[in-house]
Amino acid sequence: NAGVMQNPRHLVRRRGQEARLRCSPMKGHSHVYWYRQLPEEGLKFMVYLQKENIIDESGMPKERFSAEFPKEGPSILRIQQVVRGDSAAYFCASSPQPLESRSYNSPLHFGNGTRLTVT
Amino acid sequence: KQEVTQIPAALSVPEGENLVLNCSFTDSAIYNLQWFRQDPGKGLTSLLLIQSSQREQTSGRLNASLDKSSGRSTLYIAASQPGDSATYLCAKTNQAGTALIFGKGTTLSVSS
Repeated sequence: NAGVMQNPRHLVRRRGQEARLRCSPMKGHSHVYWYRQLPEEGLKFMVYLQKENIIDESGMPKERFSAEFPKEGPSILRIQQVVRGDSAAYFCASSPQPLESRSYNSPLHFGNGTRLTVT
Repeated sequence: KQEVTQIPAALSVPEGENLVLNCSFTDSAIYNLQWFRQDPGKGLTSLLLIQSSQREQTSGRLNASLDKSSGRSTLYIAASQPGDSATYLCAKTNQAGTALIFGKGTTLSVSS
């Protein structure tokens, strides 16, 4: 059973370009979470999605950032008109059930991340 | 604002020592708490998950406890080994139960 797959592992973009980060959750997992990790800072929650729905996007910047998790295919985190401050490691995680579930007993599974560098 | 604080930020110990990593949080509303390990340049590996109704969990040389009333969790590592060197992250669910909120981690270095 493959783990959470993220691609690309490394992505270099010039300022003003678009960055598209992909995440394929573990088989059977329909809940996806995106996090951003800046140097010397902790992991910051960005957005939580279920298939075709955004459940919580409270951590996502209001402009330039968007996320989707279509019925078929991977979850996509899109950053438009990237700036140098967007340089970070972006991690995706998945779970088989909501974190709030009283029967939740499966740890969150993380991918190895996409390291975005904006030049 | 929900916060998760981990102390110490860094820790160096010789091989074989038992050690305790601390995690505290300001909001006692919790569905579950998880401890992770992150190696440099890598993703996170889950170590232990403690559900809200539980007090502790054990896996091999690792033991994690949860005290909701005081807003604290500890990760105990017995007989540390150089392979344990990594950053250890504590995370609890937010109030809505829609995400994990992470501390900044404790970077552990075990020397042989």
